[in-house]
Amino acid sequence: GDQVEQSPSALSLHEGTGSALRCNFTTTMRAVQWFRKNSRGSLINLFYLASGTKENGRLKSAFDSKERYSTLHIRDAQLEDSGTYFCAAETNTGKLTFGDGTVLTVKP
Amino acid sequence: AQTIHQWPVAEIKAVGSPLSLGCTIKGKSSPNLYWYWQATGGTLQQLFYSITVGQVESVVQLNLSASRPKDDQFILSTEKLLLSHSGFYLCAWKRGRNQAPLFGEGTRLSVL
Repeated sequence: GDQVEQSPSALSLHEGTGSALRCNFTTTMRAVQWFRKNSRGSLINLFYLASGTKENGRLKSAFDSKERYSTLHIRDAQLEDSGTYFCAAETNTGKLTFGDGTVLTVKP
Repeated sequence: AQTIHQWPVAEIKAVGSPLSLGCTIKGKSSPNLYWYWQATGGTLQQLFYSITVGQVESVVQLNLSASRPKDDQFILSTEKLLLSHSGFYLCAWKRGRNQAPLFGEGTRLSVL
């Protein structure tokens, strides 16, 4: 079936540095979404992309449907960025398949 | 503004007992509605979706059922809970095909 491989599973950054999360898809996906988990376990939408790139503050996401991957770049990481981040890929039928998540820890 | 409300916030139930989880959307007519589930330590999975009243499509079979009795209401239920039903249940709605789904606050279910 449709699979989403998210990496890394855990990431540790020092304040002010940056890195990228990546999701690879086993099939062509219509869109991708990036989330952050809130304190209750629900999901806060960061980006929704059908193609190209989007940027919001220190976060930037890209989606290449043809190459079957998406990335989430974090720059100038702050302590409050710590948390769990998920990607989810959407098929043409509207089914959303989630990655396993990345636990980001930002250290002083 | 549209709001999505899930209930209950948390539930502790015995194996074999029935379950009913609810989700309502306010401020939006004919939303596309979705149920998701995450086992403890597992990945979020889409369970059901509904695009209109009375119509529900199953994505993953987990001995659960879903119903859409009203335009703004989506119910997840089972007559007999299993231990494997424990986890976190999320309801979501979508404004349109090319819009991001928005999630409720979730229900944490513990089956003992």
